[in-house]
Amino acid sequence: DQQVKQNSPSLSVQEGRISILNCDYTNSMFDYFLWYKKYPAEGPTFLISISSIKDKNEDGRFTVFLNKSAKHLSLHIVPSQPGDSAVYFCAASEGNFGNEKLTFGTGTRLTIIP
Amino acid sequence: EPEVTQTPSHQVTQMGQEVILRCVPISNHLYFYWYRQILGQKVEFLVSFYNNEISEKSEIFDDQFSVERPDGSNFTLKIRSTKLEDSAMYFCASSYVSGSSYNEQFFGPGTRLTVL
Repeated sequence: DQQVKQNSPSLSVQEGRISILNCDYTNSMFDYFLWYKKYPAEGPTFLISISSIKDKNEDGRFTVFLNKSAKHLSLHIVPSQPGDSAVYFCAASEGNFGNEKLTFGTGTRLTIIP
Repeated sequence: EPEVTQTPSHQVTQMGQEVILRCVPISNHLYFYWYRQILGQKVEFLVSFYNNEISEKSEIFDDQFSVERPDGSNFTLKIRSTKLEDSAMYFCASSYVSGSSYNEQFFGPGTRLTVL
């Protein structure tokens, strides 16, 4: 049951360039989408989120785009920095308040090449 | 900055033994969660807890699992009789839900459970 899919297990990007991480979902009941970042031996850290009523949310170097008709979201990191090297998880919830369970994708390992 | 803490960081146990994983959520948070990640797989929801009762649980969270908030600060996950397939990283999370805006879940560093 893969309601949230991240089809690229890994991605390498040159420092200073744009990193684009993609995520697809199948459950049209999802109301909220999040990106978490995870370093080894640490828990997932919240990065940025977007409500299903919006198509873009920006926070500094990070922008999330949502295409509801395609059931697709993406995370753009510009410019990419070495500290961005981590595993990025896309997650979704059926609710707008934060107390609902999160459904995660399998993650994309991003490596920024200096 | 407040954070979710978990102990122990690594727990090794024999199959059939009981284990208790401990978490201290962020102090003003009201919702608590357990997730797990089997090696190489996705992070999966186990259970959410609010106002001293389970608010939602997944099909993974069977009778072998239980959660408790024994005092004002700790939140525990108990596995009564561990199986080999319970080996995973277990993450505790908490959130403060205001009702007026989205409040993300904050995750702890995890407890790696190894069942032999």
